[in-house]
Amino acid sequence: AAGVIQSPRHLIKEKRETATLKCYPIPRHDTVYWYQQGPGQDPQFLISFYEKMQSDKGSIPDRFSAQQFSDYHSELNMSSLELGDSALYFCASSLTGAAPGNEQFFGPGTRLTVL
Amino acid sequence: LAKTTQPISMDSYEGQEVNITCSHNNIATNDYITWYQQFPSQGPRFIIQGYKTKVTNEVASLFIPADRKSSTLSLPRVSLSDTAVYYCLVGDIGNQGGKLIFGQGTELSVKP
Repeated sequence: AAGVIQSPRHLIKEKRETATLKCYPIPRHDTVYWYQQGPGQDPQFLISFYEKMQSDKGSIPDRFSAQQFSDYHSELNMSSLELGDSALYFCASSLTGAAPGNEQFFGPGTRLTVL
Repeated sequence: LAKTTQPISMDSYEGQEVNITCSHNNIATNDYITWYQQFPSQGPRFIIQGYKTKVTNEVASLFIPADRKSSTLSLPRVSLSDTAVYYCLVGDIGNQGGKLIFGQGTELSVKP
């Protein structure tokens, strides 16, 4: 079965650079979520989109932005990167109304390292 | 969203049953209880979800008492591959765009 695809899987950037992470949800899923997981920490919700509209916002820095495109893929844009942005970034997708309640399917993650 | 409390870590041996209890005293009427499993450097994976009483699937069972202020995830006959972090999440997951709020999970270590 198709899963959530994230690219790139690994990314190394310098401080103050920009990065773009991509997410391709499971086909027919209508909601995409982004999570950040720092070293030794629990995943933290950043932002979500339902039918290409932002549906919720968590602890996402102002330096980050995201959008969902007409083909439902999503991109997380990160600017002025800081050392503290080094983390695993997960994308998840779900289908509203699917049982059990909106189970989220996570991608393999993008490991971002800021030097 | 309701705050959850679960043990930081647990140890077990292969073949044993493992029960992880989660406290959620402030659970709201519309809240569901969901458990996710996470292996190192992988995305979390849904295990089971319930509202009340008992739910069982091919992987685990979830026991929820009548007051719903706690829940217990039961993993029958664990194996080494069950070593992971287990998260208990409580929220109105049924809403569209239902974000997951991860608290401190339980790091389960299964030994041979």
